[in-house]
Amino acid sequence: GIQVEQSPPDLILQEGANSTLRCNFSDSVNNLQWFHQNPWGQLINLFYIPSGTKQNGRLSATTVATERYSLLYISSSQTTDSGVYFCAVERKAGSYQLTFGKGTKLSVIP
Amino acid sequence: DAGVIQSPRHEVTEMGQEVTLRCKPISGHNSLFWYRQTMMRGLELLIYFNNNVPIDDSGMPEDRFSAKMPNASFSTLKIQPSEPRDSAVYFCASSQRRNTEAFFGQGTRLTVV
Repeated sequence: GIQVEQSPPDLILQEGANSTLRCNFSDSVNNLQWFHQNPWGQLINLFYIPSGTKQNGRLSATTVATERYSLLYISSSQTTDSGVYFCAVERKAGSYQLTFGKGTKLSVIP
Repeated sequence: DAGVIQSPRHEVTEMGQEVTLRCKPISGHNSLFWYRQTMMRGLELLIYFNNNVPIDDSGMPEDRFSAKMPNASFSTLKIQPSEPRDSAVYFCASSQRRNTEAFFGQGTRLTVV
């Protein structure tokens, strides 16, 4: 199956700092999503971004499908950004399931 | 729309008991997924339905697990008999169709003692 690698596994930021999270995948995809799992365990959709760039407030994401990676940018981080960020992909050929990476655990400290 | 709705939010049961988890997908979504999240294995797909039909249940760990989708607005995941190693968070997700954005419910945290 497709491999999804996220880096870094853990990240500690001071409030107000910026960060970049990376997701590498091993095959062509036609679906890529970024999720934020908050401390209560809820998986919140951030971006549906199989290619291109999108922005939503302080968050933005870029997927370069030809090079098999995606980046999630968090600017001016806040304590409420803490949690685990997951990248999930759906392989282009013969698949319908989202395969998740192991996540990046972000802790934003005041 | 209220999003994907799962119930119960928490379930504590004794080993050997039957457990039923419930899911209501987003109206108009034709694809439904059950995932399980554990510390050791992360998020794993258990089963996928398309238009209420099970397409792939290869992720279902054992015969003790079964899932149904009797109509477009309701699905169940049943574990019988439950075992302590089934303790996990079970998520239901839905999407309009393949290759479109998936939305997750709040999950059911199952503890089998």
